Amino acid sequence: NAGVTQTPKFRILKIGQSMTLQCTQDMNHNYMYWYRQDPGMGLKLIYYSVGAGITDKGEVPNGYNVSRSTTEDFPLRLELAAPSQTSVYFCASRPTGGSGNTIYFGEGSWLTVV
Amino acid sequence: AQSVTQLGSHVSVSEGALVLLRCNYSSSVPPYLFWYVQYPNQGLQLLLKYTSAATLVKGINGFEAEFKKSETSFHLTKPSAHMSDAAEYFCAVSVNNAGNMLTFGGGTRLMVKP
Repeated sequence: NAGVTQTPKFRILKIGQSMTLQCTQDMNHNYMYWYRQDPGMGLKLIYYSVGAGITDKGEVPNGYNVSRSTTEDFPLRLELAAPSQTSVYFCASRPTGGSGNTIYFGEGSWLTVV
Repeated sequence: AQSVTQLGSHVSVSEGALVLLRCNYSSSVPPYLFWYVQYPNQGLQLLLKYTSAATLVKGINGFEAEFKKSETSFHLTKPSAHMSDAAEYFCAVSVNNAGNMLTFGGGTRLMVKP
């Protein structure tokens, strides 16, 4: 099983550029999430989705946008990249059925904005 | 809203010694609690989770955690540390809400000395 797949794994952006982090899962999970992890910090929720066509903001949504046109895909778009967006980004998914279910994480995308 | 506090951002133990990583949570409703491990440059892997069944939860790699409601704690332990246990450990809480998302603590980096 591929699980949760993120691309790219590493990327360097210049200030003001835009890019999309891709995330796809093959487990037919309805819930999907984007987190960012800053050095020495825990993970902060950026956006989440409870199903195709439905997205909502998390704790730190500013500077990001998401879409969920299919169950499998949940891309994260960075508009006008800023140095503060230098971070490691994790996509995750979870099956429907309550918050006792395990969340599965991708391998992460390391983004540097210079 | 729920929150998690991990006491000690860095913990150092000798190989063969007891590992104790502390986690306290705050939640107004019954929580589900998770421990994840992150090895360098990798994603997060589930170690164990508490979902209101047994209060003592056994996970992978010899780790276990005990849910203590009276102390609002979910500390992670392992009787004998191994060099391969060196990693970052995250405690997280989840409750049944709109997004069923995880809220993470700040993480504890475990170092194991030979």
